[in-house]
Amino acid sequence: LAKTTQPISMDSYEGQEVNITCSHNNIATNDYITWYQQFPSQGPRFIIQGYKTKVTNEVASLFIPADRKSSTLSLPRVSLSDTAVYYCLVGDWSTGFQKLVFGTGTRLLVSP
Amino acid sequence: GAGVSQSPSNKVTEKGKDVELRCDPISGHTALYWYRQSLGQGLEFLIYFQGNSAPDKSGLPSDRFSAERTGGSVSTLTIQRTQQEDSAVYLCASSLVGDNEQFFGPGTRLTVL
Repeated sequence: LAKTTQPISMDSYEGQEVNITCSHNNIATNDYITWYQQFPSQGPRFIIQGYKTKVTNEVASLFIPADRKSSTLSLPRVSLSDTAVYYCLVGDWSTGFQKLVFGTGTRLLVSP
Repeated sequence: GAGVSQSPSNKVTEKGKDVELRCDPISGHTALYWYRQSLGQGLEFLIYFQGNSAPDKSGLPSDRFSAERTGGSVSTLTIQRTQQEDSAVYLCASSLVGDNEQFFGPGTRLTVL
């Protein structure tokens, strides 16, 4: 599994756009990039997944450059409820199974 | 519909005792995973079940840990002769085969005194 590196923590204010970048220099051809969100005392929750270019859903956008060695999770107009830990994961899900390897994630704190 | 449920939500036990943690996956999800999360750490994979196939036990930290899944649904994680280092939140997740999104339960917080 490709190793990922992301900032330990980030601070933001309500209404701002937050971009969290993840480095995955050893990403393999079949690997996808997935982001999970975890609130205190809860299990992680899937946010978004992509392979290349840009993916957008109702929660976030995921930007992946052509070399795929990094990716950026973009949260538009964050609110206090977006305070959580965000995990970047890389893996080959083509077999339908992947034991998720979580790092320590990025702890996002949104202030009023 | 109902999400993944786990019981108990909290478990305090004495060192040396055995504990059983239960997971009820989302109905229809044939893949089931167990992870554990120590305080301030990321998740550590423990074991994976897929249908009737033999489980992937590659993440179990010692032979004191075992898990079973009856009838392709409910799963039980058993820790024998608990140690203080077993204290953590144990998380269960389920998914559809071929679906990359895993749905996590709220976890069981285990404290070994």
